Amino acid sequence: KQEVTQIPAALSVPEGENLVLNCSFTDSAIYNLQWFRQDPGKGLTSLLLIQSSQREQTSGRLNASLDKSSGRSTLYIAASQPGDSATYLCAVKWGAQKLVFGQGTRLTINP
Amino acid sequence: GAGVSQSPSNKVTEKGKDVELRCDPISGHTALYWYRQSLGQGLEFLIYFQGNSAPDKSGLPSDRFSAERTGGSVSTLTIQRTQQEDSAVYLCASSYWGIGVDEQFFGPGTRLTVL
Repeated sequence: KQEVTQIPAALSVPEGENLVLNCSFTDSAIYNLQWFRQDPGKGLTSLLLIQSSQREQTSGRLNASLDKSSGRSTLYIAASQPGDSATYLCAVKWGAQKLVFGQGTRLTINP
Repeated sequence: GAGVSQSPSNKVTEKGKDVELRCDPISGHTALYWYRQSLGQGLEFLIYFQGNSAPDKSGLPSDRFSAERTGGSVSTLTIQRTQQEDSAVYLCASSYWGIGVDEQFFGPGTRLTVL
C-alpha cells in the first residue's frame, strides 16, 4: 500500500532556529512530491514541488530535498519566524493523478 | 490571477438532506480534484477530472457522493442523504496537467457540518 508518513506530529522551536521537517513514503516509484502549508481554518498553500528526477527545490528560506531510494523527503526552513507557524503537509503522487497526503507536522515558532 | 474558489465557505445541514458544493478552478487548468479533510482521516482523495476523459471516482466513499464538471471548468460535488460522518472540510484543487507541470493548487475549502 502506498503511504506517506510525517514525523513528528508537532514541533515547537524558538524563533531564528533552522529546522527540518521529515516525510517518508513507502514506494520509491513516485511521480512527484509536493509540500504544502495549511493555516488554521484555511486551505492548502503549495510551497514546493519536486519531480521524481530532481533532488531538491528551493524557494526563499525553504529547501526541499528528495531521496527516492530511501523513500524520504525533508523540508528545511532557515531562520524560522513566528509567521512560519502552520501545519506542513507532504503529499506524493504515484502513477495515478491523486495526491496521497501525510498526516502533517504542526509547527509552532515561539517569539 | 485568481486562484481556486469554492462556495459556500460553510454549510450546515440536517441529516438526510442533499448538499451541493461548488468549485471554480484556475482558468486554463485542465485537471480538477476533490479531496476531503476530516479529523480522524486526514486528507483523502475523492475524485479527479482531466479534460474530456472519464473521471477517476475511486475515492468516493459511497454512492451517495457524485460529482460533475461542466464545460471543462466548474465542478459540483453532490452528497445525497447526508450523514453525520460526512462532516468534514471539502477541498478542491486544480492543475495544468502536462509533463513536469502538474502542481496542484487548492481552494479555501467548504466546511460541511451535518447535524
